[in-house]
Amino acid sequence: DGGITQSPKYLFRKEGQNVTLSCEQNLNHDAMYWYRQDPGQGLRLIYYSQIVNDFQKGDIAEGYSVSREKKESFPLTVTSAQKNPTAFYLCASSNQVTRNEQFFGPGTRLTVL
Amino acid sequence: QQQVKQSPQSLIVQKGGISIINCAYENTAFDYFPWYQQFPGKGPALLIAIRPDVSEKKEGRFTISFNKSAKQFSLHIMDSQPGDSATYFCAARGVYGNKLVFGAGTILRVKS
Repeated sequence: DGGITQSPKYLFRKEGQNVTLSCEQNLNHDAMYWYRQDPGQGLRLIYYSQIVNDFQKGDIAEGYSVSREKKESFPLTVTSAQKNPTAFYLCASSNQVTRNEQFFGPGTRLTVL
Repeated sequence: QQQVKQSPQSLIVQKGGISIINCAYENTAFDYFPWYQQFPGKGPALLIAIRPDVSEKKEGRFTISFNKSAKQFSLHIMDSQPGDSATYFCAARGVYGNKLVFGAGTILRVKS
């Protein structure tokens, strides 16, 4: 059953802590993306990766970090430098060659206590 | 620096009616315009998409109308059903690469 998995579904963090959100895909897609969703603001791109061991900043990368050591995995770390991290985080992937649609995972809701 | 403007922010439609959501893009080269549907607590899923060389695309009850000269495109949902109640996002993809720019979203509620 192909798709994108994100874990955990819900995550609670104390202020000052770093947390890592997991994203795994078995679609054999080259490109992967992280978005942040806030009410009334749509989806904003945090980071994206077009190939293993390479990634680029999106529109709101400050306070976040990523790695792309494997094609299937693109974890996102929300650092303590992110001033307002409470949000719904979505991971997506797409085929870099055919440039077809982006497929989204089910999301992780992060709440800072 | 929003390059895709979406309206309305929310929409209430009676069952059987037509839902219309509009998007406009700014001076950037885009070559692909998808619409995504998102249910609460879920990730968005592609609903329908259009390329700028056609003016309309229809899939079942869903139609995209595209006006290249006006830099506008819209989603029409015919015979709207309560199950269509969701948030809808328009998006645009640049000519180079796979990055999508999303509109702010429209919360649609279909009343039965």
